[in-house]
Parts: sequence; C-alpha cells; structure tokens
Amino acid sequence: GQNIDQPTEMTATEGAIVQINCTYQTSGFNGLFWYQQHAGEAPTFLSYNVLDGLEEKGRFSSFLSRSKGYSYLLLKELQMKDSASYLCAVMDSNYQLIWGAGTKLIIKP
Amino acid sequence: ETGVTQTPRHLVMGMTNKKSLKCEQHLGHNAMYWYKQSAKKPLELMFVYSLEERVENNSVPSRFSPECPNSSHLFLHLHTLQPEDSALYLCASSQGTGVTDTQYFGPGTRLTVL
Repeated sequence: GQNIDQPTEMTATEGAIVQINCTYQTSGFNGLFWYQQHAGEAPTFLSYNVLDGLEEKGRFSSFLSRSKGYSYLLLKELQMKDSASYLCAVMDSNYQLIWGAGTKLIIKP
Repeated sequence: ETGVTQTPRHLVMGMTNKKSLKCEQHLGHNAMYWYKQSAKKPLELMFVYSLEERVENNSVPSRFSPECPNSSHLFLHLHTLQPEDSALYLCASSQGTGVTDTQYFGPGTRLTVL
C-alpha cells in the first residue's frame, strides 16, 4: 500500500530552527509537496520537490532524497505565526496526491 | 487569500437531512477537487473534476453526490449521512491535473452529523 509518515506533533522555540521529516512509500513518484495549514484555515502551498536536493525559499527550505524515500521541511528563525500543521504529500504514478496526516508544530516563546 | 471560497463554513445536520456544500474558485482553473479531512488522519481525496467531467471517484459512499455545473463551481450534495461523516470538507482547484499543477484550497466546511 501507499504510505506517508510524519511526526504527529513537534514543539520548538521562537527564533530557533526546526526540521519536520516525511518518509514515503508510494507507487511511483512525481514530486513531493509541503503545505501549511493554520487551525481552521485552508492548506496553503509551501514547496514542491521533484529532484534530489535542497530548495530554499526564505526562512523555509525543503529537501528530497528519492533513493531514501525521504524529505524534510526546515524552518529557520521561527516565529509564533509558524504555529500550524505541516502536510507532506506525494504525487504518485497516477498523478494523485497521497497525503500524510500532518505534523502539528507548536512554537513557544 | 486563496481565491477558493466555500459555503457554509459550518454545518450541523441530522442523519435524515439533505444539504449541499458549495465551492467556488476565482482562479480560472480547470480542475476541482473534494477532500475529507478528519482529525489526525491524512486528507482523503473524494472526487476530481477536470473540465467539468468527473475523472476520479475514490470509492465514496453514494450518500455523497458531487456536481460540477461549470469550471468555477463545485457542489457536494449530502443525504442520509452517518455520524462518522463528521469532518472538515475541503475544496481545491488547480490549473490542470498534471505534475506541476499546484492545488489551491478553500477554507473548508466543518460538518457535524448528529
């Protein structure tokens, strides 16, 4: 079967760095997405990786290793507004998005 | 602001009621989606429409009935639901259904079935 694993919850301190991991087993691979979802709001697109390596966008970076079935989202200089759930999703060979359950990130002052 | 709106934002209904969820996208996209999001579970894809034709139906019970009258509007008609159908129902749209077609989500309808 297809499976996306990510930690259920993480806690970090304002101003620090946090890494949210995602491992996947899917039938085919057409890219990996990260979305941010604040409580009661719509998921919003953060990043897309299809080739191995690190993609940087301001305070957020996303890394992919296809051979290991592994990705991480790195958040630097954490701000209170970064408290949210972070969803990992993989597009399989049928161009369907397979979603993880999300990681709830709690930022403490 | 994502350009995808959903109404109502909250809905409480009994198991014998009939109600409809509405989604509208203002992004000029050609594909629209319905997802179910339950607490601590992955998003479940329910239906996909591309150019107003249903292209995906992931074994969803018949008590959920989608309708896509045009590329900007998507409805989810609900009837004789069960308490386990209580969840957040998210609508999304994308330019197409290809690899690089990022999905943009609406804020969701929080559905409670009594």
